[in-house]
Amino acid sequence: GQNIDQPTEMTATEGAIVQINCTYQTSGFNGLFWYQQHAGEAPTFLSYNVLDGLEEKGRFSSFLSRSKGYSYLLLKELQMKDSASYLCAVRDGYGNKLVFGAGTILRVKS
Amino acid sequence: EAGVAQSPRYKIIEKRQSVAFWCNPISGHATLYWYQQILGQGPKLLIQFQNNGVVDDSQLPKDRFSAERLKGVDSTLKIQPAKLEDSAVYLCASSLAGLYEAFFGQGTRLTVV
Repeated sequence: GQNIDQPTEMTATEGAIVQINCTYQTSGFNGLFWYQQHAGEAPTFLSYNVLDGLEEKGRFSSFLSRSKGYSYLLLKELQMKDSASYLCAVRDGYGNKLVFGAGTILRVKS
Repeated sequence: EAGVAQSPRYKIIEKRQSVAFWCNPISGHATLYWYQQILGQGPKLLIQFQNNGVVDDSQLPKDRFSAERLKGVDSTLKIQPAKLEDSAVYLCASSLAGLYEAFFGQGTRLTVV
């Protein structure tokens, strides 16, 4: 089966940097995704990691360590609009099921 | 490129009634997913299709939920009979193939009273 853990909530200040962690245990592994979900809206894709290391995309970066079953999403130069839920999702190695964690609610304060 | 289309956007039904949701994925996307998202929780995978075959439906409550994807394109998800605990947002998503990112529709917010 799958188990994906993320912190429930985080608070950070506008302009700062925040790191959201995700640990996972899955049957096989075919990639890890990060999604952003604003209240009342659908999740939107942010980043994808399948190999170890850091992927950078503008203000957002995502890191993966497959041996540790660990990933993080790094958000730089935080803006108020970054207040949202951040979902970690893992694609398993059997049928490529895409399974989501419970999400981390990030609150950005001025 | 058109996104994932879902209908209806909102639905209110009484418990024990039946309801159906429709999803049209992005053109050419072979993989289609239905998720249930209860307020404050992450999306829970109900069923995943690859073309018109089922990849996984291990968390689909088969005594009341059913889903089909005829001709490997559109899909419908049905609940019969509905229970109060089925109140949630039902999200449909699609991806080009099993390894790519999934794109989500706007969802159907179901309220069972």
